[in-house]
Amino acid sequence: GAGVSQSPSNKVTEKGKDVELRCDPISGHTALYWYRQSLGQGLEFLIYFQGNSAPDKSGLPSDRFSAERTGGSVSTLTIQRTQQEDSAVYLCASSSNLRGLHNEQFFGPGTRLTVL
Amino acid sequence: GENVEQHPSTLSVQEGDSAVIKCTYSDSASNYFPWYKQELGKRPQLIIDIRSNVGEKKDQRIAVTLNKTAKHFSLHITETQPEDSAVYFCAAPGGFQKLVFGTGTRLLVSP
Repeated sequence: GAGVSQSPSNKVTEKGKDVELRCDPISGHTALYWYRQSLGQGLEFLIYFQGNSAPDKSGLPSDRFSAERTGGSVSTLTIQRTQQEDSAVYLCASSSNLRGLHNEQFFGPGTRLTVL
Repeated sequence: GENVEQHPSTLSVQEGDSAVIKCTYSDSASNYFPWYKQELGKRPQLIIDIRSNVGEKKDQRIAVTLNKTAKHFSLHITETQPEDSAVYFCAAPGGFQKLVFGTGTRLLVSP
């Protein structure tokens, strides 16, 4: 079946502009995650959606970052008034919630954001 | 909250040697420990995981060991091959269905 997809694959924007990044999770996966990975760095947790529960926004670095998940499927990460330090690869992942246990997170290919 | 530390940050081995990457965690209630591999320019992918009801798990050339008393777990790769070169991330639970990742280990296997 189809894996996690993200769009666009690359985004170049000017400082101060807003950007929207999209994630299509694997069908049926109730959990969806956004991470940020700066060049050569680790996976920084941003936000997590689980079913219809309120999202865990504890990783968002500032109020310029927000995310939505409509209909329990597609998610959009929005960065307002982008700054150069926002440049990174933004990864989305999804997982099932079988038996309420931790399950494998399937990652998308990422969106490489460059803020000039 | 959970804190995961990973060592070493870089590891260079010769083809055929073994490689060991170690992680420690802080929350004694943690019960799930996955390892992800990220090849250059690719997405992270799960390679092996272990739950706290076992101490060791093997899958061909890779194995993970868990010491709950000491709160550490390790990834072991035997008979390394150039295609094992990648960044490896350990993780531990940071809440319901949420993971905290280590900072990664860049493994380089030289022919």
